[in-house]
Amino acid sequence: QVTLKESGPGMLQPSKTLSLTCSFSGFSLSTSGMVVSWIRQPSGKSLEWLAAIDWDGDKYYNPSLKSRLTVSKDTSNTQVFLKITSVDIADTATYYCARRRVMDAWGQGASVTVSS
Amino acid sequence: DIQMTQSPSSMSVSLGDTVTITCRASQDVGIYVNWFQQKPGKSPRRMIYRATNLADGVPSRFSGSRSGSDYSLTISSLESEDVADYHCLQYDEYPYTFGAGTKLELK
Repeated sequence: QVTLKESGPGMLQPSKTLSLTCSFSGFSLSTSGMVVSWIRQPSGKSLEWLAAIDWDGDKYYNPSLKSRLTVSKDTSNTQVFLKITSVDIADTATYYCARRRVMDAWGQGASVTVSS
Repeated sequence: DIQMTQSPSSMSVSLGDTVTITCRASQDVGIYVNWFQQKPGKSPRRMIYRATNLADGVPSRFSGSRSGSDYSLTISSLESEDVADYHCLQYDEYPYTFGAGTKLELK
């Protein structure tokens, strides 16, 4: 059974760095062709793809946020991380991770609020 | 970036209706379009992949089609459980891009 679960700080202050973790089971990021993406959704708004990392360690970023994003994975290939620097109120959203290019499985989402 | 222009943004529907939602890609994305359903407080659920393929467990009243750069999701004989938000996604090239979403509401 494939499962993904996002975790994060819940709330943080403007200008801080947001660190998110996607922990998954039922598949390995070391499998050829495997990709894990990060997507976010402000409340009541549409989905925005942020970044992805593949089985080979290649990383892909949304150009609109690229300078602030870092995606990485752990050596066991069961976790993917996303860091967003210099957050502001506009980064308040639910953050999801999803498996494969086709995004066939998603986590439940981690709600993040940026507030002073 | 590839733009996915989704329409309509919202739709007032009745049970039993046939509903069609469309996304237009700003450049060629081939077959690499997915459709997702999202209910309040839930994660998106993949309904259609590669433009026309029904994902596992999705009722056959859902279908996807393509005409040139226009991609459509059709729900035949709408049921109450289908009232939700729907999103298209192009995953032909990075950065992947979503449509703005369509909200189905019951009349």
